[in-house]
Amino acid sequence: AQSVTQLDSHVSVSEGTPVLLRCNYSSSYSPSLFWYVQHPNKGLQLLLKYTSAATLVKGINGFEAEFKKSETSFHLTKPSAHMSDAAEYFCVVSDKGSGTYKYIFGTGTRLKVLA
Amino acid sequence: DTAVSQTPKYLVTQMGNDKSIKCEQNLGHDTMYWYKQDSKKFLKIMFSYNNKELIINETVPNRFSPKSPDKAHLNLHINSLELGDSAVYFCASSPTGGSYNEQFFGPGTRLTVL
Repeated sequence: AQSVTQLDSHVSVSEGTPVLLRCNYSSSYSPSLFWYVQHPNKGLQLLLKYTSAATLVKGINGFEAEFKKSETSFHLTKPSAHMSDAAEYFCVVSDKGSGTYKYIFGTGTRLKVLA
Repeated sequence: DTAVSQTPKYLVTQMGNDKSIKCEQNLGHDTMYWYKQDSKKFLKIMFSYNNKELIINETVPNRFSPKSPDKAHLNLHINSLELGDSAVYFCASSPTGGSYNEQFFGPGTRLTVL
């Protein structure tokens, strides 16, 4: 079975500084990986996904992530944090179970942006 | 023109009651899901349907029964509610159950069992 580990439960950055949210995956084959964001009391929104095309994936709102097979990592980055980026971020791997695929979620990283 | 909608948004009820949460998607997707998010924000899949057929049924108490009257709707019925059922329940949909397919999530239903 596949899994993802989000290495930080909380990350605080100052507005205008870079963001790094870390995710490591465990997979026996080439995984499909996703990053979702959840703003307070809202549903989940896809930021970006990796599906074995380009290893550097660009997403919405200036976010990007790089798939590194040698490090089994899929870290999420943004060059400059904005106050509106404060939210919960989830790294997700798509795992093939009994004949169909399902999402396996990481435990989430809460991003706090300081003024 | 909401893509995935859920009703109600909030549900407060007493232990032992039976309640339902409804989900509808207007994206034309074949696959729908129910997830539970606990108080620590951890998300776990409960069920998935593809074209009205149950394809994922995780280890969930049989007090939870999903029903899909058509491929645009997936409802969740919960019998004999317990305190531990308090959580946020999310519905989602995707074009198929493929590994690379994005899932679109509803706004969630916050269930509080007193």
